[in-house]
Amino acid sequence: KQEVTQIPAALSVPEGENLVLNCSFTDSAIYNLQWFRQDPGKGLTSLLLIQSSQREQTSGRLNASLDKSSGRSTLYIAASQPGDSATYLCAVQGTDKLIFGTGTRLQVFP
Amino acid sequence: GAVVSQHPSRVICKSGTSVKIECRSLDFQATTMFWYRQFPKKSLMLMATSNEGSKATYEQGVEKDKFLINHASLTLSTLTVTSAHPEDSSFYICSANKRGFNEQFFGPGTRLTVL
Repeated sequence: KQEVTQIPAALSVPEGENLVLNCSFTDSAIYNLQWFRQDPGKGLTSLLLIQSSQREQTSGRLNASLDKSSGRSTLYIAASQPGDSATYLCAVQGTDKLIFGTGTRLQVFP
Repeated sequence: GAVVSQHPSRVICKSGTSVKIECRSLDFQATTMFWYRQFPKKSLMLMATSNEGSKATYEQGVEKDKFLINHASLTLSTLTVTSAHPEDSSFYICSANKRGFNEQFFGPGTRLTVL
C-alpha cells in the first residue's frame, strides 16, 4: 500500500529565504508525482507535475525533483515571499489512484 | 484548458437532510471523476472513483449508501450525502481525468457544514 509522507509538517521562514520541502513515498511504481498548493479553505492549485521518466520540472521560482528509485521528491522554492504562505501537498499517481501526502504548512513572514 | 467546477461552494444543512454536490468538467470530457474529502488540517482522502455510465468504486470504509455517486454524463458527476450528520461536515473536492491524460484536474471544493 502506497504511503506518502511530507517533512516538515510545518515551516516558518523569513521572506527571501530559499527553502526545500520534502516528499517521500513507499512504492516506486508510480506514473507521476504532482505538487499542489492549497490556501486555507480553498481548493488545490497544481504547481508542478513530474512524469515518472523525468527528473525535474521548473516553473518560475519553483523547482521540483523526482528520484523514483529512492522514493523521494523535493520542492525547492527560491527567494520565498509572504504570498507563498500556504499548505503544500505532494501526490503520487499509481495505477488507479492519486495518493496525497500529509502536507507541509508554510508561513513566510515579512 | 481543463477547468472543473463544483456547486455549491458552501452549504449548511440540518442533521438528517440530504445534500447534493455537483462536479462538472467545463471544457473537456472526463473519462473518470474522483471524489475526495478533507478534514481540517488533514490531507485529501479518496472516497470513490466514478466512470460515466457505471457504478462508482468506493474506497474501503466509505459507505456507498451514505455517499451516493451518480456519473450521468462525461461532464457531470454528483455526490449526494444522505441523512447527513455533523460528522459528515467536511471539505469535499472532486477531480476529473481528461481523456488521454494521466493527470487529475481539481474542482474548487465544497464546504459542507451539518448542524
